[in-house]
Amino acid sequence: DTGVSQDPRHKITKRGQNVTFRCDPISEHNRLYWYRQTLGQGPEFLTYFQNEAQLEKSRLLSDRFSAERPKGSFSTLEIQRTEQGDSAMYLCASRPGQASGGELFFGEGSRLTVL
Amino acid sequence: DAKTTQPNSMESNEEEPVHLPCNHSTISGTDYIHWYRQLPSQGPEYVIHGLTSNVNNRMASLAIAEDRKSSTLILHRATLRDAAVYYCILRPLIQGAQKLVFGQGTRLTINP
Repeated sequence: DTGVSQDPRHKITKRGQNVTFRCDPISEHNRLYWYRQTLGQGPEFLTYFQNEAQLEKSRLLSDRFSAERPKGSFSTLEIQRTEQGDSAMYLCASRPGQASGGELFFGEGSRLTVL
Repeated sequence: DAKTTQPNSMESNEEEPVHLPCNHSTISGTDYIHWYRQLPSQGPEYVIHGLTSNVNNRMASLAIAEDRKSSTLILHRATLRDAAVYYCILRPLIQGAQKLVFGQGTRLTINP
């Protein structure tokens, strides 16, 4: 399966610890998105990359959150000094650049639980 | 971002058609209408999208009102696997992120 891959699928951590999630998009998809989803809500946009450039960030992305895509391929999302409110599913999606209006392909997500 | 309104939940029976409504009265001329669904414990998956004309694919049909202020996703013959949250999203065809802005969607229950 060559879909969007996310790792780890589940992460349990204690409040105050740092966590990092990785996303491997579909090969040759130059656009990559991170979303966060809490229980019972729709996914919320966090940030967007076109190749290695981070072009848009949501106000939801506080200073404790940082995302990178150093070589324009995989991406990481790091949360520093985690809080219980960070508990959520973190979803990654990708799409090819030339497909205006085209579909986003989502991974299965990384579920974070902060104790 | 233009908003959509969907019922919180709907229920249908297996092997029957399902019509999922969506209102988007503030839609602009360059907004595409996208539908995604999310099965339990999975990321969202694309279902269908359209601009003005009705669209059909192997998963569903999309019926768009003439004034484009509403649309309906049609599952022609529901199966248990179609139980999911269905999101109706307006996506602008402009330069930039073209990100999807999700609402709360409609939770569809399929009865055997």
